[in-house]
Amino acid sequence: QKEVEQDPGPLSVPEGAIVSLNCTYSNSAFQYFMWYRQYSRKGPELLMYTYSSGNKEDGRFTAQVDKSSKYISLFIRDSQPSDSATYLCAMMDSSYKLIFGSGTRLLVRP
Amino acid sequence: DSGVTQTPKHLITATGQRVTLRCSPRSGDLSVYWYQQSLDQGLQFLIHYYNGEERAKGNILERFSAQQFPDLHSELNLSSLELGDSALYFCASSTKTGRDTQYFGPGTRLTVL
Repeated sequence: QKEVEQDPGPLSVPEGAIVSLNCTYSNSAFQYFMWYRQYSRKGPELLMYTYSSGNKEDGRFTAQVDKSSKYISLFIRDSQPSDSATYLCAMMDSSYKLIFGSGTRLLVRP
Repeated sequence: DSGVTQTPKHLITATGQRVTLRCSPRSGDLSVYWYQQSLDQGLQFLIHYYNGEERAKGNILERFSAQQFPDLHSELNLSSLELGDSALYFCASSTKTGRDTQYFGPGTRLTVL
């Protein structure tokens, strides 16, 4: 079993939809959680960084962490075609290296 | 643009060869991390250097080695290359170590023929 599980998609939604992306993890020692966006195999770009259970909002993006369920989510409101990319969840372990999910491909249709 | 630079962008070589990938961290960042991204394994941590010293190792093959120089740039050396080493190699940098945000470079695409 992988430490971090993420649905690979692809996820296809119409423009303006609310997108929900999710990851589950097995290691209860993970304390820091990130979402990265990656366009066409370019370098991952950090979207959200959270370290506690609850919600964190930044513009159209909301990150949600539920440590009791070992489950994290990223919500994208009013999705745009420019949001089409692969979204990677990542968890930081005790040695500060990132453990990534396999990524979810998102396609926002105009 | 994250401020992390990587060269070369693309590298095509043959099995059995040796290559060196270079990474320059963001100005002021002391930590450099190397990751490998392949289609079947996803994005995987290889190694972390902080201010010239190795801090953590992931699933890095013995054929691979890295170092961080006094000017803080880092090199990843891959030797006795195999077809399966074909992948994107990213470096990331952060200010110090620990919980700091890691900023990724654009990557080097390695193709082994």
